[in-house]
Amino acid sequence: QVQLVQSGAEVKKPGASVKVSCKASGYTFTTHAIHWVRQAPGQRLEWMGWINAGNGDTRHSQKFQARVTFTRDTSASTAYMELSNLRSEDTAVYYCARDWGGTMDSWGQGVLVTVSS
Amino acid sequence: DIQMTQSPSTLSASVGDRVSITCRASQTISHWLAWYQQKPGKAPKLLIYKASSLESGVPSRFSGSGSGTEFTLTISSLQPDDFATYYCQQYNSYPWTFGQGTKVEIK
Repeated sequence: QVQLVQSGAEVKKPGASVKVSCKASGYTFTTHAIHWVRQAPGQRLEWMGWINAGNGDTRHSQKFQARVTFTRDTSASTAYMELSNLRSEDTAVYYCARDWGGTMDSWGQGVLVTVSS
Repeated sequence: DIQMTQSPSTLSASVGDRVSITCRASQTISHWLAWYQQKPGKAPKLLIYKASSLESGVPSRFSGSGSGTEFTLTISSLQPDDFATYYCQQYNSYPWTFGQGTKVEIK
C-alpha cells in the first residue's frame, strides 16, 4: 500500500531553516509528483508547491517562492522541503502528499515545526 | 489567487441525517474541485475529485456535485465516523487553494 513517512518534529529559532523529509513506499516514486501543504494551528490547509519526482521540476506558491526549496532523492524514494528564514507565523504542521491529477490521494503523517525564540 | 469559501463553518447534525456542505470559488474552476475529510491530529483524506468522482474505498454515502463556481458535498446518511472537518480544494489554477473548512459536529 502507498505510504508516505515524514521526519520528526522540529523546534527552530526565528531566522533558522528547517528541512523536512518524506519517504515514499508502495509505488514507483518517480511516477507521481509530491505536494507540500501546511496547516497552522486552527487554520485552513495551505498549499506550498510541488515537485515532479521524476524530473525534479518544481512549482511554488508565490507566497513561499523566495524561502522554500523542494528536492528529491530518487534512489531513496524521498522528497524534501526546506524552508528558510523562519518566523513565528511558520509554526505549523507540514504535510507531504502524493499527487493524483492535481489532488492529493495519499498523505504523510505531518511534521510539527515550531518556531520560537 | 482563487478564494474558496465554504458554508456553513460549523454544522450540527445527528447520526442518520442528510447533510450538505457548499463550496464557492471566487472565479470559475470548471470541475477541478476536490473534497477532503480531516480528523483531529490526522492528515486529510481524499473523498471526491473532479467535483463528483468518488475516490476508491470511500463509502457511497458521500457524493459531490457542481461545476463552475458552486459545489456541494453531500453525506446521505451521517455515520459516527463522519464527524470531522471537511475541506474543498481547487486545482484549476495555481496556487491550489483550500476552503476554510466545515466542522461537522454531533447534535
